[in-house]
Amino acid sequence: DIQMTQSPSSVSASVGDRVTITCRASQVISNWLAWYQQKPGKAPKLLIFATSSLQSGVPSRFSGSGSGTDFTLTISSLQPEDIATYYCQQTNGLTFGGGTNVEIK
Amino acid sequence: QVQLVESGGGVVRPGRSLRLSCAASGFSFSSYTMHWVRQAPGKGLEWVALISYDGSHTYLADSVKGRFTISRDNSRNTQYLQMNSLRPDDTGVYYCARDGPSVASAGYFDYWGQGTLVTVSS
Repeated sequence: DIQMTQSPSSVSASVGDRVTITCRASQVISNWLAWYQQKPGKAPKLLIFATSSLQSGVPSRFSGSGSGTDFTLTISSLQPEDIATYYCQQTNGLTFGGGTNVEIK
Repeated sequence: QVQLVESGGGVVRPGRSLRLSCAASGFSFSSYTMHWVRQAPGKGLEWVALISYDGSHTYLADSVKGRFTISRDNSRNTQYLQMNSLRPDDTGVYYCARDGPSVASAGYFDYWGQGTLVTVSS
């Protein structure tokens, strides 16, 4: 099975900062990667699919990049409403990364 | 608008069974692959099962294979998760999720229900 490793597990940043989350696959997964945002007590929300395609309605400050085994989710200017846990997911084998908790400094 | 509403969760003793339901509305249910995803308390997300748009193909995570069954009734716009031989590590919130729009399975989940809590405890 392909394992997905996210880093960091937690990040604290100020409003307006650029935040980058990394996801590494244990094998090449082409562009089969999605990102989700989950706020406490809520269901996850799809942000990005196919590595870099922004889901409808998601703010443009969210972007995704990468290929092969290394992928990145970037929040270009952190907003208070972005406080959440973020998960990557390999969409071929359906496995998730362990999550990254984003907090406001 | 797309809505997915889970039901059927609750507290159950180890070894017993439970059936979850997910009622869909706001889209052509019979055209989409559907999934179940779970989340143990304070933990991350784990994919559990998928069923193809017509029910002809099902896939289960190794952790539930042989104990859980996924099914659907397109006439009722509902999918199900039959959970047998439940164990304490099956405890968590179970989400119903729709597969992304694709001729085949897209593998990502564009709509989620609110989840239903399953607690397996003696």
